[in-house]
Amino acid sequence: QQQVKQSPQSLIVQKGGISIINCAYENTAFDYFPWYQQFPGKGPALLIAIRPDVSEKKEGRFTISFNKSAKQFSLHIMDSQPGDSATYFCAPHSGSARQLTFGSGTQLTVLP
Amino acid sequence: ETGVTQSPTHLIKTRGQQVTLRCSSQSGHNTVSWYQQALGQGPQFIFQYYREEENGRGNFPPRFSGLQFPNYSSELNVNALELDDSALYLCASTRTGSSNVLTFGAGSRLTVL
Repeated sequence: QQQVKQSPQSLIVQKGGISIINCAYENTAFDYFPWYQQFPGKGPALLIAIRPDVSEKKEGRFTISFNKSAKQFSLHIMDSQPGDSATYFCAPHSGSARQLTFGSGTQLTVLP
Repeated sequence: ETGVTQSPTHLIKTRGQQVTLRCSSQSGHNTVSWYQQALGQGPQFIFQYYREEENGRGNFPPRFSGLQFPNYSSELNVNALELDDSALYLCASTRTGSSNVLTFGAGSRLTVL
């Protein structure tokens, strides 16, 4: 089974700071690299995703950086807000989303 | 607004019992997947259904079974419940043409005593 390693397990950031979450994978066949955001009592929701043909993708305050040679990708949250407090999961996969392997999650707390 | 609804939201069962969890997705979402999320962990893939047929299965025993119906609803059945089955069970649907994007429901929280 493919391994996906996510770090850190938890992260506390001051409002306005930068949050960085990392994901390392082993399967070189992966071609879709999403981050999911989950609030308490809710299911995960796709936040942002990248394909391996680009090294960076930005959507508002959220940026994915992708390093194919290192088999790593990261989520950067700029100007972090208390409303960003949630658990974040990486879930890289190949082809259609038949079977996602989620990372163990990062619990982000943004202090006001 | 997720478009995927699950029921019940919470339930309590005792060891050895059977449970059925239900999921309803939007029209056009012809693929449904079920995931188990233990407390403090990431979701684990149970199985996926496409056009009412099982289309992939994770490392779960046969006492976990499912059904998908033509009206875009589905069920997860778990027999002979064990204490370790206590978890949040998530249903996720995929819209035709957007096979990389899963839309999750809010889940059913199962507690096995």
